[in-house]
Amino acid sequence: DAGVIQSPRHEVTEMGQEVTLRCKPISGHNSLFWYRQTMMRGLELLIYFNNNVPIDDSGMPEDRFSAKMPNASFSTLKIQPSEPRDSAVYFCASSPNWSNQPQHFGDGTRLSIL
Amino acid sequence: QQQVKQSPQSLIVQKGGISIINCAYENTAFDYFPWYQQFPGKGPALLIAIRPDVSEKKEGRFTISFNKSAKQFSLHIMDSQPGDSATYFCAASNNNDMRFGAGTRLTVKP
Repeated sequence: DAGVIQSPRHEVTEMGQEVTLRCKPISGHNSLFWYRQTMMRGLELLIYFNNNVPIDDSGMPEDRFSAKMPNASFSTLKIQPSEPRDSAVYFCASSPNWSNQPQHFGDGTRLSIL
Repeated sequence: QQQVKQSPQSLIVQKGGISIINCAYENTAFDYFPWYQQFPGKGPALLIAIRPDVSEKKEGRFTISFNKSAKQFSLHIMDSQPGDSATYFCAASNNNDMRFGAGTRLTVKP
């Protein structure tokens, strides 16, 4: 069974550009999470969805960040406009259902903003 | 505010030795405590997890010890192997709001 699939694996772009990260959760999983990982701040939860509905976006750093989940098999995280301090590895994870179930992570998107 | 404190930052162990990583949490509402293992270029992978109604859970060479009153839990890796060299994260969760420790980079020397 395929795990969580993220694309692209690497993204390098210039400051000010729009960046879109994509995630396909494991089929049948109802909860989806976006995380950011940096050396300074570690793993941070940005936002999570349950049944395609955003539940908690308090971790989203600024209005430049937005996330959508139009259907059960696809989610996007968008940064517009991007800034150098957004450089990080962004992970998507999914879990079977609500409340404290194991989260399965994708291999991440390494984002570099020049 | 760091809700989950993890130590040590790095750990070097000889092959066959015991690796011990400790975590402490503040929020008593947390009710799920997983440990994740991460290799370079990969996402974190669930290793083992515990809920606060038990004090210990063992899976193979990996054991979680949990002390609810002290709000502490730890990961023990018995008979550590070079293939265990990775970064380990503890986490604490309440209703899917998961907070991670800062990570421990484990190196197991042959």
